[in-house]
Amino acid sequence: QSVLTQPPSASGTPGQSVAISCSGSSSNIGSNYVYWYQQLPGTAPKLLIYRNNQRPSGVPDRFSGSKSDTSASLAISGLRSEDEADYYCAAWDDGLSGHWVFGGGTKLTVL
Amino acid sequence: QITLKESGPTLVKPTQTLTLTCTFSGFSVSTSGVGVGWIRQTPGKALEWLALIYWDDDKRYSPSLKSRLTITKDTSKNQVVLTMTNMDPVDTATFYCVHSVRGKGCSGSMCYFFDYWGQGTLVTVSS
Repeated sequence: QSVLTQPPSASGTPGQSVAISCSGSSSNIGSNYVYWYQQLPGTAPKLLIYRNNQRPSGVPDRFSGSKSDTSASLAISGLRSEDEADYYCAAWDDGLSGHWVFGGGTKLTVL
Repeated sequence: QITLKESGPTLVKPTQTLTLTCTFSGFSVSTSGVGVGWIRQTPGKALEWLALIYWDDDKRYSPSLKSRLTITKDTSKNQVVLTMTNMDPVDTATFYCVHSVRGKGCSGSMCYFFDYWGQGTLVTVSS
């Protein structure tokens, strides 16, 4: 069971907007940055969003992140077929001397 | 550019010790603000952070696996090694080596995040 909670699945049609939620607690999301990773089929995860809402170079501005209290959200606008992937949130947790925690992942299907 | 590659056995027997090596290029693990870590992904796709070694040789481990893990670095070889003792079939997973960098204007362990991942190596635990 993952420390951060994500919906197991999400879907949308091309051009639509979707949002994926990530719920945590005061010791992780509530007090630290949130990161999002995209994992395309058969590949390693790739950094999509860092420090809550920052995009690495090369990541389209269709992807955006936000955080409020102990929850975070990844929004994807103008959905494209190549966005079909697994998405994971992550955060540092201050408990037990500090450690990284991940969400269980959300499988995004583009219908 | 930054690249990382994992190497090690693909099959280990229960109770054995797993040793994985991460060989990287494009950065030095002795550079201030840099770290190298390990993350595994189970067949069910859950990601689990295992360990992280920082440029100053500080180390952090997953609390639940700390007693079984050791992470070391060899700066001259551009390598980081992870050992995991007493392997069990439930440890079957793809193991990823990751580059970690400290965010700007931030200090402390919580400021490091994973920006580059290796391709991963599947390790199966079975007799």
